[in-house]
Amino acid sequence: QVRLQESGPGLVRPSETLSLTCTVSGYSISSFSFWGWIRQPPGKGLEWLGSIIHSGNAYYNPSLKGRGTMSVDSSKNQFSLRLKSLTAADTAVYYCAREGYFFDLWGQGTLVTVSS
Amino acid sequence: EIVLTQSPATLSLSPGERATLSCRASQNVSRFLGWYQQKPGQAPRLLIYDASNRAAGIPGRFSGSGSATDFTLTISTLEPDDSAVYYCQHRGNWPLTFGGGTKVEIK
Repeated sequence: QVRLQESGPGLVRPSETLSLTCTVSGYSISSFSFWGWIRQPPGKGLEWLGSIIHSGNAYYNPSLKGRGTMSVDSSKNQFSLRLKSLTAADTAVYYCAREGYFFDLWGQGTLVTVSS
Repeated sequence: EIVLTQSPATLSLSPGERATLSCRASQNVSRFLGWYQQKPGQAPRLLIYDASNRAAGIPGRFSGSGSATDFTLTISTLEPDDSAVYYCQHRGNWPLTFGGGTKVEIK
C-alpha cells in the first residue's frame, strides 16, 4: 500500500523558515515523475505550491515570490519543501501528493501555524 | 495564471437527486481538468482526471464532461456520503490552480 506522510514543526515563528518532509512508503520515489506540495489555509481552498521531478527539477507557484525550495532524497524515498520568511498568511494545512496527470495520492496533511 | 471559477458555491439536495457542478476556466485548458472531493478533516481525493476519466475506485455515479473552458461534474444519484466540498484543478500549464470549491450538502 502506497502511503505519503508529511512531517515538520506544527508551530513556526514569523520571519523564520519552514522545513517539511514527505516520506513515501510502498512506492519508489524514482518510479513516478512528479511529487507536489499543496496547502490549505483554515476554512479556505487549495493552493498548489510546487512540484518536483524525481531527478530534482522543480516548478514553483509564482505566488511564493521565490521563498520556496523543493528537493528530493531518493535514498530516503523523501521529498521536501523549505519556505522562508514566513508570515501569518502561511498558516495552513500542508499536503504532499503524488502527481501523475493529477494529484492521485495525498498525505494526511500537517497543520503549520505561524505565530510568535 | 488560469483562473478556475466554480459554481454554485453551495448546493443543497436530497438523497437520490442529481447534482451538477460547474467549473469555468479563464483560458482554454483542452481536457486537462480534474475534480477532487474533500470531506472535513481529510485530504482531497481525486475523482475525475482529464475531464471525463474516473480515477481508480471511484463509483460510477460520478461523471465528468466538458472541454476547453467549460466543465461539469455530475453526481447522478446523491448519497449521504457525497456530502463534501468539490474542487476542480487544471494541468494546462504552470502554475497549476484550483477552483474555489462547491460545497454539496445533503438534506
